[in-house]
Amino acid sequence: RKEVEQDPGPFNVPEGATVAFNCTYSNSASQSFFWYRQDCRKEPKLLMSVYSSGNEDGRFTAQLNRASQYISLLIRDSKLSDSATYLCVARRGGFKTIFGAGTRLFVKA
Amino acid sequence: NAGVTQTPKFQVLKTGQSMTLQCAQDMNHNSMYWYRQDPGMGLRLIYYSASEGTTDKGEVPNGYNVSRLNKREFSLRLESAAPSQTSVYFCASSESQNNEQFFGPGTRLTVL
Repeated sequence: RKEVEQDPGPFNVPEGATVAFNCTYSNSASQSFFWYRQDCRKEPKLLMSVYSSGNEDGRFTAQLNRASQYISLLIRDSKLSDSATYLCVARRGGFKTIFGAGTRLFVKA
Repeated sequence: NAGVTQTPKFQVLKTGQSMTLQCAQDMNHNSMYWYRQDPGMGLRLIYYSASEGTTDKGEVPNGYNVSRLNKREFSLRLESAAPSQTSVYFCASSESQNNEQFFGPGTRLTVL
């Protein structure tokens, strides 16, 4: 079993839709969590950190449930430019950063 | 600022050949990393350097060596390339272990 698991998708949604991605992590020692975005054939870039209290950045909301070892990302009012792969990341402490395989999103006009 | 740069962008090797992937960052970051990305696997940490002068193994170090040449540069060497090392290699850097990692554009390596 992978330490960080994501639904690979793809998710195909129309512009303006709300889409939610889920991610589970198996190591309870994981301390910090992130969502990265990766465009096709490009490098990953940080989208947002995920805090226990939940956090929002414009159309993006991230939630963490430590009891269930579950992280989510909600995208509201999807734009064509949101089409990308979204990577869930768990950091155990020190330099042990574990990336999920990613969830692909296609937003269509 | 160029951020994190990597050379080459593409490389094709034959089994048994050696090569070095170069990485440099101009953000004065202390920590640097090498990852590989394979379909369905996500990014996996090969080696990292917490600070200048130190290097440590990550999740998949076998078949690789690294050198932290100075604070800016962190190279990855394949001594005897194997087809299983066909992958996209990303270098990253961060101010410290707790900070955001910034990635380079990647090197696409094919080993025949």
